[in-house]
Amino acid sequence: SQQGEEDPQALSIQEGENATMNCSYKTSINNLQWYRQNSGRGLVHLILIRSNEREKHSGRLRVTLDTSKKSSSLLITASRAADTASYFCATDANDSGGSNYKLTFGKGTLLTVNP
Amino acid sequence: EAGVVQSPRYKIIEKKQPVAFWCNPISGHNTLYWYLQNLGQGPELLIRYENEEAVDDSQLPKDRFSAERLKGVDSTLKIQPAELGDSAVYLCASSQGTSLSTDTQYFGPGTRLTVL
Repeated sequence: SQQGEEDPQALSIQEGENATMNCSYKTSINNLQWYRQNSGRGLVHLILIRSNEREKHSGRLRVTLDTSKKSSSLLITASRAADTASYFCATDANDSGGSNYKLTFGKGTLLTVNP
Repeated sequence: EAGVVQSPRYKIIEKKQPVAFWCNPISGHNTLYWYLQNLGQGPELLIRYENEEAVDDSQLPKDRFSAERLKGVDSTLKIQPAELGDSAVYLCASSQGTSLSTDTQYFGPGTRLTVL
């Protein structure tokens, strides 16, 4: 089952604009991660934010986490055509109350950056 | 540094046939994961190995799926017999340690399986 849900499902912007994607999740987490997946390729880890952190930056990426709302956002500033990809959030959550923790991914946001 | 290697990249089979996927993780990575990714969805964990031990196979459909990681390095994932609903991308990932909280997972390019 999917733990995270990204919003929007698809986003189309012009090069140079900022792109914001949101992720909501259901259960308590230790950390939340964002991944990028180019068409036909594997996932690439972008950034990890821990549950006791509220904001984190990496280059043109800014991630926020609001544990009270169980939500996170990924902001990509000054977007480029090469940023075109699907973006997934992933949380490390206990599997249905059992003892197995695993990374659970959302359905992703498809970002298209038009040149 | 070489990344996670998977083969084949694409596989087309008829239903009821067997199929196997191979994964070579990044050298020195102790933890290996197999994920299933359906079209328009995020990856879902099938099985996780720490060295040669399968520590989480709760999501693996054991009636038709099997996996092994002999010697704690390469891994194979097998489906026998394949069904139409198995058409998906099978992703392999590896991480150096065993902590989901701190260890980054590195993904291979995946094997796209089409069952006719």
